[in-house]
Amino acid sequence: QQQVKQSPQSLIVQKGGISIINCAYENTAFDYFPWYQQFPGKGPALLIAIRPDVSEKKEGRFTISFNKSAKQFSLHIMDSQPGDSATYFCAASTGSGGSNYKLTFGKGTLLTVNP
Amino acid sequence: NAGVMQNPRHLVRRRGQEARLRCSPMKGHSHVYWYRQLPEEGLKFMVYLQKENIIDESGMPKERFSAEFPKEGPSILRIQQVVRGDSAAYFCASSSGQGRHEQYFGPGTRLTVT
Repeated sequence: QQQVKQSPQSLIVQKGGISIINCAYENTAFDYFPWYQQFPGKGPALLIAIRPDVSEKKEGRFTISFNKSAKQFSLHIMDSQPGDSATYFCAASTGSGGSNYKLTFGKGTLLTVNP
Repeated sequence: NAGVMQNPRHLVRRRGQEARLRCSPMKGHSHVYWYRQLPEEGLKFMVYLQKENIIDESGMPKERFSAEFPKEGPSILRIQQVVRGDSAAYFCASSSGQGRHEQYFGPGTRLTVT
């Protein structure tokens, strides 16, 4: 059972364009939704996160949009740069019901930003 | 460097050998999570530990895998009698606990079983 579905699997964007990655979840108990960025051979780095009490969060060029009723959230990267080329993972977690805040990840999106 | 540390970064084992992966959490963090990343897959939760306690091992294979986080020293993920299917990247993440969700990952250990 895949509790967090991520799309697209891969994405190619021109420099300066907007990259959009989408995720959908099933477990309504999830109350924390982070995005991680991973470069080849490195560990995932926490990029930005949102909780369901807000619909949008922005940090620099990165924005999370959150739709609680649709159980969907997305990452927007504005003015995409070649240095943003990486794999992006969405995730979700909850502390309720003995879930212990463990992260459930999507399968990842390989983003390539062409110069 | 106060980040999460893992060693070794790369580990090669023959089938049937044991693999020991170590993780030192961020300074001030006492909660450790282990995740496994298979090729072309996302990360999958394995086990959650606090000092001297296994809190949740629901993602851990029932056999050959064990984990510990002693009072002193790093957390250890141990895989006995490794098989080719154990080849993967193993990441640990640490958290301050106290109801905080944020987890910070180490650089991972890439295990190759030959």
